Amino acid sequence: GAVVSQHPSWVICKSGTSVKIECRSLDFQATTMFWYRQFPKQSLMLMATSNEGSKATYEQGVEKDKFLINHASLTLSTLTVTSAHPEDSSFYICSASNRRVGREAFFGQGTRLTVV
Amino acid sequence: SQELEQSPQSLIVQEGKNLTINCTSSKTLYGLYWYKQKYGEGLIFLMMLQKGGEEKSHEKITAKLDEKKQQSSLHITASQPSHAGIYLCGAARDRGSTLGRLYFGRGTQLTVWP
Repeated sequence: GAVVSQHPSWVICKSGTSVKIECRSLDFQATTMFWYRQFPKQSLMLMATSNEGSKATYEQGVEKDKFLINHASLTLSTLTVTSAHPEDSSFYICSASNRRVGREAFFGQGTRLTVV
Repeated sequence: SQELEQSPQSLIVQEGKNLTINCTSSKTLYGLYWYKQKYGEGLIFLMMLQKGGEEKSHEKITAKLDEKKQQSSLHITASQPSHAGIYLCGAARDRGSTLGRLYFGRGTQLTVWP
């Protein structure tokens, strides 16, 4: 299957700082990328959908000013957690899709964010 | 919003045993996906079902979608330690949903002991 890579795999930051997480499709062009958040023993919660060159569509309850998403190219989307607080600590996973590649979404390995 | 209920939440089986995980929705499922996740890692795609009554198999894993397209089951035959992990069912939010825009069940934690 197609490969999606996230970076970093884990990050620890101080409260009040911003953190950027990258999601790259390595061997295909992702027309759409998605960002999910997962709490321990909980389901994946879709945060936003991003299409290359356009503004991301955020799910209800997700603060767009808090979670900035940029999808500048067909192979890269970034999620920036601004002014992070301990409650933002979570596991963030991205996925990417392209109908020409397959009927499924391909997931990155996830990023563990810890805000101290 | 539509919710996916997975059962059981956790499952502990002895190696060699068969097992079934269920995923139920109150509404019609438009594209049902099964993924496997190791704790703290990304999701590995297993299978996708779309048509009522559809069944797919890969190695020792079989997934089915019922005729009404509201319930799916994942069956593992002769389980092995390598099958251990979290199994997640995911579904498209609606018929015209963007490919890959999914909502997920809470997952089933599978432990296989030798």
